[in-house]
Amino acid sequence: AQSVTQPDIHITVSEGASLELRCNYSYGATPYLFWYVQSPGQGLQLLLKYFSGDTLVQGIKGFEAEFKRSQSSFNLRKPSVHWSDAAEYFCAVVMDSSYKLIFGSGTRLLVRP
Amino acid sequence: GAVVSQHPSWVICKSGTSVKIECRSLDFQATTMFWYRQFPKQSLMLMATSNEGSKATYEQGVEKDKFLINHASLTLSTLTVTSAHPEDSSFYICSASSSWQGITEAFFGQGTRLTVV
Repeated sequence: AQSVTQPDIHITVSEGASLELRCNYSYGATPYLFWYVQSPGQGLQLLLKYFSGDTLVQGIKGFEAEFKRSQSSFNLRKPSVHWSDAAEYFCAVVMDSSYKLIFGSGTRLLVRP
Repeated sequence: GAVVSQHPSWVICKSGTSVKIECRSLDFQATTMFWYRQFPKQSLMLMATSNEGSKATYEQGVEKDKFLINHASLTLSTLTVTSAHPEDSSFYICSASSSWQGITEAFFGQGTRLTVV
């Protein structure tokens, strides 16, 4: 069965430090991959997505992610974290063209001043 | 990006009553809408998929008679929680996509916090 794993439940980084959030997927075919961010009590905002082509994807708010087929990973990175980046981050896989998303368990990012 | 509006953003209801949540795509025609449920500090769990004009497809373990989904138009889907109980208290989020407008992602509403007392 298709699944998405985010091994880190929460991560704490200092403001200005770099960030990497991990995501691994289990999917038989070439997946469509997404990263979403959720602030408390809010809906989800798309940070970036990967369908095909260049495996390094640039997103909004200075985020990027790299698709590595050999590792079945799609890790999210940011070179310098801002306090406003504190939120819950979800990695997701699309199963088909209907955009039915399968979400990972999420990683909560805390930012130290 | 496209806009999906969900209403209400929060609702409190008495146990045994029914609650309707609306999900509207404001600037595109949503051929498919999804309903998710999210418990505190947990991930989003897909409840059902609805295609305009068709019956919704429910995920395993979701009671279709309790969570009534209607997708009568290309811009509106509703989720009705019937005979709500405290265990139905949760954050409900909808998303919408379109298979024929060149849209390549699903757009999310802002969510509805349901509290059953």
